[in-house]
Amino acid sequence: GAVVSQHPSWVICKSGTSVKIECRSLDFQATTMFWYRQFPKQSLMLMATSNEGSKATYEQGVEKDKFLINHASLTLSTLTVTSAHPEDSSFYICSAEDSPDTEAFFGQGTRLTVV
Amino acid sequence: ELKVEQNPLFLSMQEGKNYTIYCNYSTTSDRLYWYRQDPGKSLESLFVLLSNGAVKQEGRLMASLDTKARLSTLHITAAVHDLSATYFCAVDLITQGGSEKLVFGKGTKLTVNP
Repeated sequence: GAVVSQHPSWVICKSGTSVKIECRSLDFQATTMFWYRQFPKQSLMLMATSNEGSKATYEQGVEKDKFLINHASLTLSTLTVTSAHPEDSSFYICSAEDSPDTEAFFGQGTRLTVV
Repeated sequence: ELKVEQNPLFLSMQEGKNYTIYCNYSTTSDRLYWYRQDPGKSLESLFVLLSNGAVKQEGRLMASLDTKARLSTLHITAAVHDLSATYFCAVDLITQGGSEKLVFGKGTKLTVNP
Protein backbone atom coordinates (compact mmCIF):
# COMPACT_ATOMS: atom_id res chain seq x y z
CA GLY A 1 0.00 0.00 0.00
CA ALA A 2 0.91 3.63 -0.35
CA VAL A 3 3.16 4.99 2.37
CA VAL A 4 3.18 8.51 3.74
CA SER A 5 5.92 9.40 6.18
CA GLN A 6 5.82 12.31 8.59
CA HIS A 7 8.79 13.70 10.43
CA PRO A 8 9.33 14.27 13.25
CA SER A 9 6.93 12.07 15.18
CA TRP A 10 7.11 14.42 18.10
CA VAL A 11 8.73 17.74 18.83
CA ILE A 12 9.00 20.06 21.80
CA CYS A 13 9.79 23.69 21.15
CA LYS A 14 9.92 26.93 23.07
CA SER A 15 7.34 29.66 22.69
CA GLY A 16 8.24 32.08 19.96
CA THR A 17 10.26 29.66 17.91
CA SER A 18 9.28 28.03 14.63
CA VAL A 19 9.05 24.35 13.90
CA LYS A 20 8.86 22.54 10.57
CA ILE A 21 7.02 19.29 9.96
CA GLU A 22 7.68 17.23 6.84
CA CYS A 23 5.26 14.99 5.00
CA ARG A 24 6.64 12.67 2.32
CA SER A 25 4.97 10.25 -0.02
CA LEU A 26 7.43 7.37 -0.28
CA ASP A 27 6.12 5.27 -3.12
CA PHE A 28 3.87 7.53 -5.14
CA GLN A 29 3.70 11.06 -6.43
CA ALA A 30 1.34 13.17 -4.37
CA THR A 31 -0.38 15.84 -6.41
CA THR A 32 -2.35 16.91 -3.36
CA MET A 33 -1.47 16.87 0.31
CA PHE A 34 -3.72 17.73 3.21
CA TRP A 35 -2.80 19.00 6.65
CA TYR A 36 -4.99 18.29 9.67
CA ARG A 37 -4.91 19.27 13.29
CA GLN A 38 -6.32 17.17 16.10
CA PHE A 39 -6.78 18.36 19.66
CA PRO A 40 -6.99 15.75 22.44
CA LYS A 41 -10.15 13.68 22.32
CA GLN A 42 -11.42 15.57 19.30
CA SER A 43 -11.78 14.86 15.63
CA LEU A 44 -9.51 15.87 12.79
CA MET A 45 -9.92 19.35 11.41
CA LEU A 46 -8.60 20.18 7.96
CA MET A 47 -6.21 23.10 8.06
CA ALA A 48 -5.18 23.41 4.44
CA THR A 49 -4.88 21.66 1.11
CA SER A 50 -1.72 21.96 -0.91
CA ASN A 51 -1.13 21.15 -4.54
CA GLU A 52 2.35 20.71 -5.91
CA GLY A 53 3.74 23.94 -7.27
CA SER A 54 0.90 26.18 -6.17
CA LYS A 55 -0.15 28.04 -3.07
CA ALA A 56 -1.98 26.17 -0.37
CA THR A 57 -5.69 26.66 0.17
CA TYR A 58 -6.43 27.33 3.82
CA GLU A 59 -9.64 26.56 5.63
CA GLN A 60 -11.58 29.36 7.21
CA GLY A 61 -10.08 30.47 10.49
CA VAL A 62 -6.60 29.08 9.82
CA GLU A 63 -3.91 31.77 9.85
CA LYS A 64 -1.86 31.58 6.66
CA ASP A 65 1.03 33.53 8.11
CA LYS A 66 1.25 31.32 11.14
CA PHE A 67 0.98 27.97 9.42
CA LEU A 68 3.18 28.12 6.36
CA ILE A 69 2.72 25.30 3.90
CA ASN A 70 5.08 24.51 1.07
CA HIS A 71 4.54 21.76 -1.49
CA ALA A 72 7.63 22.14 -3.60
CA SER A 73 7.78 18.66 -5.06
CA LEU A 74 5.47 15.76 -5.80
CA THR A 75 6.74 13.86 -2.80
CA LEU A 76 7.20 16.50 -0.12
CA SER A 77 5.06 19.03 1.68
CA THR A 78 6.10 20.96 4.76
CA LEU A 79 4.12 22.69 7.47
CA THR A 80 5.96 25.37 9.43
CA VAL A 81 4.40 26.63 12.62
CA THR A 82 5.82 30.10 13.07
CA SER A 83 6.18 31.89 16.39
CA ALA A 84 4.69 28.95 18.18
CA HIS A 85 2.58 29.40 21.29
CA PRO A 86 1.37 26.82 23.82
CA GLU A 87 -2.09 26.87 22.24
CA ASP A 88 -0.50 25.54 19.04
CA SER A 89 0.30 22.33 20.87
CA SER A 90 -1.58 19.63 19.06
CA PHE A 91 -1.33 16.51 16.94
CA TYR A 92 -0.69 17.41 13.30
CA ILE A 93 -1.44 14.82 10.62
CA CYS A 94 -0.84 14.97 6.89
CA SER A 95 -2.35 12.92 4.13
CA ALA A 96 -1.50 12.59 0.46
CA GLU A 97 -3.21 11.41 -2.70
CA ASP A 98 -1.82 10.80 -6.13
CA SER A 99 -4.87 12.03 -8.03
CA PRO A 100 -8.33 13.44 -7.36
CA ASP A 101 -11.07 11.02 -6.43
CA THR A 102 -8.59 8.54 -5.02
CA GLU A 103 -8.00 7.55 -1.44
CA ALA A 104 -5.64 9.74 0.52
CA PHE A 105 -3.14 8.01 2.79
CA PHE A 106 -2.23 9.33 6.20
CA GLY A 107 1.12 9.96 7.78
CA GLN A 108 1.84 8.80 11.30
CA GLY A 109 1.30 12.26 12.77
CA THR A 110 3.46 14.75 14.67
CA ARG A 111 2.88 15.58 18.29
CA LEU A 112 3.85 19.23 18.83
CA THR A 113 4.31 20.55 22.35
CA VAL A 114 5.10 24.22 22.81
CA VAL A 115 6.50 25.13 26.21
CA GLU B 1 -21.93 22.89 4.61
CA LEU B 2 -21.45 19.17 4.98
CA LYS B 3 -22.10 17.81 8.43
CA VAL B 4 -21.09 14.34 9.50
CA GLU B 5 -22.68 12.96 12.63
CA GLN B 6 -21.59 9.80 14.35
CA ASN B 7 -23.35 8.02 17.13
CA PRO B 8 -22.78 6.93 19.69
CA LEU B 9 -19.74 9.01 20.62
CA PHE B 10 -18.85 6.60 23.40
CA LEU B 11 -19.50 2.89 23.42
CA SER B 12 -18.63 0.46 26.14
CA MET B 13 -19.40 -3.14 25.37
CA GLN B 14 -18.58 -6.59 26.58
CA GLU B 15 -16.50 -9.06 24.68
CA GLY B 16 -18.59 -11.30 22.50
CA LYS B 17 -21.37 -8.78 21.97
CA ASN B 18 -22.48 -7.13 18.75
CA TYR B 19 -23.05 -3.46 18.14
CA THR B 20 -23.42 -0.90 15.36
CA ILE B 21 -21.95 2.56 14.95
CA TYR B 22 -23.87 4.97 12.76
CA CYS B 23 -22.63 7.75 10.51
CA ASN B 24 -25.08 10.22 9.00
CA TYR B 25 -24.08 12.96 6.59
CA SER B 26 -25.99 15.95 5.33
CA THR B 27 -25.19 16.33 1.62
CA THR B 28 -24.66 14.09 -1.34
CA SER B 29 -21.39 12.22 -1.47
CA ASP B 30 -20.25 9.11 -3.28
CA ARG B 31 -17.35 8.23 -1.08
CA LEU B 32 -17.22 7.36 2.58
CA TYR B 33 -14.35 6.13 4.70
CA TRP B 34 -14.02 4.42 8.04
CA TYR B 35 -10.84 4.80 10.04
CA ARG B 36 -9.49 3.45 13.28
CA GLN B 37 -7.31 5.50 15.61
CA ASP B 38 -5.42 4.11 18.58
CA PRO B 39 -4.30 6.48 21.35
CA GLY B 40 -1.36 8.63 20.26
CA LYS B 41 -1.43 7.20 16.75
CA SER B 42 -2.55 8.36 13.36
CA LEU B 43 -5.42 6.98 11.33
CA GLU B 44 -5.60 3.46 9.98
CA SER B 45 -7.83 3.02 6.96
CA LEU B 46 -10.49 0.34 7.48
CA PHE B 47 -12.96 0.67 4.63
CA VAL B 48 -13.62 2.75 1.55
CA LEU B 49 -17.25 2.68 0.43
CA LEU B 50 -17.83 3.99 -3.06
CA SER B 51 -21.39 3.23 -4.07
CA ASN B 52 -24.89 2.84 -2.79
CA GLY B 53 -25.40 -0.54 -1.23
CA ALA B 54 -21.69 -1.18 -0.83
CA VAL B 55 -20.86 -3.63 1.93
CA LYS B 56 -17.36 -4.54 3.01
CA GLN B 57 -16.18 -6.88 5.72
CA GLU B 58 -12.86 -7.39 7.40
CA GLY B 59 -12.70 -9.74 10.33
CA ARG B 60 -15.24 -8.72 12.96
CA LEU B 61 -16.02 -5.41 11.28
CA MET B 62 -18.51 -4.84 8.50
CA ALA B 63 -19.32 -1.50 6.90
CA SER B 64 -22.20 -0.55 4.67
CA LEU B 65 -23.32 2.52 2.77
CA ASP B 66 -26.76 3.79 1.85
CA THR B 67 -26.27 6.94 -0.21
CA LYS B 68 -30.00 7.59 -0.49
CA ALA B 69 -30.40 7.69 3.26
CA ARG B 70 -26.95 9.31 3.61
CA LEU B 71 -26.11 6.71 6.18
CA SER B 72 -23.22 4.38 6.78
CA THR B 73 -22.94 1.76 9.48
CA LEU B 74 -19.99 0.01 11.05
CA HIS B 75 -21.10 -3.26 12.60
CA ILE B 76 -19.02 -5.04 15.18
CA THR B 77 -19.54 -8.76 15.59
CA ALA B 78 -18.45 -10.67 18.69
CA ALA B 79 -16.27 -7.87 19.95
CA VAL B 80 -12.83 -8.54 21.34
CA HIS B 81 -10.62 -6.32 23.49
CA ASP B 82 -8.28 -5.58 20.57
CA LEU B 83 -11.06 -3.66 18.86
CA SER B 84 -10.91 -0.97 21.54
CA ALA B 85 -10.06 2.27 19.71
CA THR B 86 -11.68 5.39 18.33
CA TYR B 87 -13.49 4.95 15.02
CA PHE B 88 -14.06 7.80 12.62
CA CYS B 89 -16.17 8.03 9.54
CA ALA B 90 -15.26 10.62 6.93
CA VAL B 91 -17.13 11.82 3.88
CA ASP B 92 -15.61 13.14 0.69
CA LEU B 93 -16.85 16.62 -0.14
CA ILE B 94 -16.38 18.37 -3.44
CA THR B 95 -16.33 22.11 -2.75
CA GLN B 96 -17.86 24.78 -4.94
CA GLY B 97 -14.39 25.55 -6.19
CA GLY B 98 -14.01 21.99 -7.40
CA SER B 99 -11.50 20.87 -4.81
CA GLU B 100 -12.14 17.93 -2.55
CA LYS B 101 -11.74 17.41 1.13
CA LEU B 102 -12.64 14.92 3.80
CA VAL B 103 -15.07 15.91 6.51
CA PHE B 104 -14.79 13.79 9.64
CA GLY B 105 -17.33 12.77 12.19
CA LYS B 106 -16.52 13.35 15.85
CA GLY B 107 -15.48 9.77 16.33
CA THR B 108 -16.78 6.89 18.42
CA LYS B 109 -14.62 5.78 21.30
CA LEU B 110 -15.11 2.06 21.67
CA THR B 111 -14.09 0.22 24.80
CA VAL B 112 -14.45 -3.55 24.83
CA ASN B 113 -14.45 -5.00 28.33
CA PRO B 114 -13.54 -8.57 29.21
